[in-house]
Amino acid sequence: DQQVKQNSPSLSVQEGRISILNCDYTNSMFDYFLWYKKYPAEGPTFLISISSIKDKNEDGRFTVFLNKSAKHLSLHIVPSQPGDSAVYFCAAGEVMRGADGLTFGKGTHLIIQP
Amino acid sequence: EPEVTQTPSHQVTQMGQEVILRCVPISNHLYFYWYRQILGQKVEFLVSFYNNEISEKSEIFDDQFSVERPDGSNFTLKIRSTKLEDSAMYFCASSRQGMNTEAFFGQGTRLTVV
Repeated sequence: DQQVKQNSPSLSVQEGRISILNCDYTNSMFDYFLWYKKYPAEGPTFLISISSIKDKNEDGRFTVFLNKSAKHLSLHIVPSQPGDSAVYFCAAGEVMRGADGLTFGKGTHLIIQP
Repeated sequence: EPEVTQTPSHQVTQMGQEVILRCVPISNHLYFYWYRQILGQKVEFLVSFYNNEISEKSEIFDDQFSVERPDGSNFTLKIRSTKLEDSAMYFCASSRQGMNTEAFFGQGTRLTVV
């Protein structure tokens, strides 16, 4: 049962262009969403988050958009840089469940082409 | 910058043996987690720990697994009798305030059961 889905296993984008990574979720109880980036042989590192009371959160080159009615979120990276090549995980959780773990998607491997 | 550290980075064990994976969470964090990622699959939540007890655990976290915070700094995951299917990357994570703040992950321990 995939409560968090990242339907694109990989995405190739030219350096300098916009990268858009998508994520869908099915559990309507999720109200907190995060994006993690993972390099080979390292643990996931936090990128950006958004709570369900917002529809957009921006941090430098990274913007996350949330469409609650569609149960969809996306991560925009602009401009894309070679160091952005990594696997990006979408994760979701319920704030009121306190210490509960996150539910992760399978990840999207972003490849930035020079 | 504070970080979550995990030891060892790679553990090879024979089926049926017990293994202990070790983690040192970030010092002022209160919530601790274990996740795992089987090769080619998504990151899966195993267990969360708060106030010296398990807060939540997934279906994966059966009686073969246990967690402990033996002192003020370490957080361990024990697998009593390893199976081949326990082979995975195991990530420890910690967060300051549970779901309201992002979790910081360690670099992972690759467990190989032979």
